[in-house]
Amino acid sequence: LAKTTQPISMDSYEGQEVNITCSHNNIATNDYITWYQQFPSQGPRFIIQGYKTKVTNEVASLFIPADRKSSTLSLPRVSLSDTAVYYCLYGGLTGGGNKLTFGTGTQLKVEL
Amino acid sequence: EPEVTQTPSHQVTQMGQEVILRCVPISNHLYFYWYRQILGQKVEFLVSFYNNEISEKSEIFDDQFSVERPDGSNFTLKIRSTKLEDSAMYFCASGGGERDWGDEQFFGPGTRLTVL
Repeated sequence: LAKTTQPISMDSYEGQEVNITCSHNNIATNDYITWYQQFPSQGPRFIIQGYKTKVTNEVASLFIPADRKSSTLSLPRVSLSDTAVYYCLYGGLTGGGNKLTFGTGTQLKVEL
Repeated sequence: EPEVTQTPSHQVTQMGQEVILRCVPISNHLYFYWYRQILGQKVEFLVSFYNNEISEKSEIFDDQFSVERPDGSNFTLKIRSTKLEDSAMYFCASGGGERDWGDEQFFGPGTRLTVL
């Protein structure tokens, strides 16, 4: 089972940068790291995916150290609408059709 | 932007009744999934479907559950005889399979199933 460890909750204020770190000590060579976001009563939404070093897209950055046993999702200048649960997942090179194993995630609360 | 749709948004049923949850995945996607989330708990994988057959299922997906892709657009989850513990939000997801290193899955808005 692809088990990850992340903080249960985090609090932040609007305009701040938020970094959520996830541990995945048992990650395998072929595994990729993926982050999803979930708002209340909605389905999870893909944020970012990476294999090593740093990946950046229009909403977030993902930092992965050389040993790949952890990863950090960085959300620049958060707003109230970023209040959600953030899930770290990892999985193998399957070319699609891979099930997602969600943990309990990190509840991020952004305040004014 | 294309999206996954699900109907109904909320289904209330009596214990022992059959329910069918419907999903329309993104049109050019190849991989289809059902997940569920019991209130206050984590999202759990139920089943994946590819090339008109189940590719993987979890221990939750027992004989009471079945999936079908009856035509080129719909993907359904049937629960034959609902139990109280089947009450949950059910999410359909689809993926394009275009990446060779893992697949971004697009989730629908969910169907809230309440079993009385």
